[in-house]
Amino acid sequence: EPEVTQTPSHQVTQMGQEVILRCVPISNHLYFYWYRQILGQKVEFLVSFYNNEISEKSEIFDDQFSVERPDGSNFTLKIRSTKLEDSAMYFCASSPGTANYGYTFGSGTRLTVV
Amino acid sequence: SQQGEEDPQALSIQEGENATMNCSYKTSINNLQWYRQNSGRGLVHLILIRSNEREKHSGRLRVTLDTSKKSSSLLITASRAADTASYFCASATYGGSQGNLIFGKGTKLSVKP
Repeated sequence: EPEVTQTPSHQVTQMGQEVILRCVPISNHLYFYWYRQILGQKVEFLVSFYNNEISEKSEIFDDQFSVERPDGSNFTLKIRSTKLEDSAMYFCASSPGTANYGYTFGSGTRLTVV
Repeated sequence: SQQGEEDPQALSIQEGENATMNCSYKTSINNLQWYRQNSGRGLVHLILIRSNEREKHSGRLRVTLDTSKKSSSLLITASRAADTASYFCASATYGGSQGNLIFGKGTKLSVKP
């Protein structure tokens, strides 16, 4: 069964450093997403991406965040200057369409900012 | 606003029993989805129910949707120890933009052998 692959599974970074989280969505999916889950809290929407541009973003997704699809397969989330409160599990997801499709999530990247 | 609030927050049952989890949401939706998350792992899509559907089945799962009450329930019948996980409902609303799923806080289900 097709999977969404995320790397790395765990990243530790110093406050103020830039991190790039990588995702390979399912190949025939058209819509890509990033979500995050702070330990013990809700899964929160960050951004959705379609046709090589951001289609929607949440209030969390401020100027320190950016997404990119640098080639035909990868989908990345960059955090420019990490803060302690960015520590969370970051999930990438993809779906074939918008309405009435379930999302396929990756296993996540646990980001720890120290 | 808070969408997709589940209750109970935690549920502990014996293997073979049924588990019922409830979810409430606040705004109009296109569909409502349920996901499972094993500890420290990703979210697995379980079932999707459209706003014009009232009930849906998938294996041991039964989902109901009451749009007048803005609520949904997930029933897992004949539970197994392997069903131990957190279960999240997620409301999907599409209007203008590509839309997104809004997750609740989840119900932590523990099934004892």
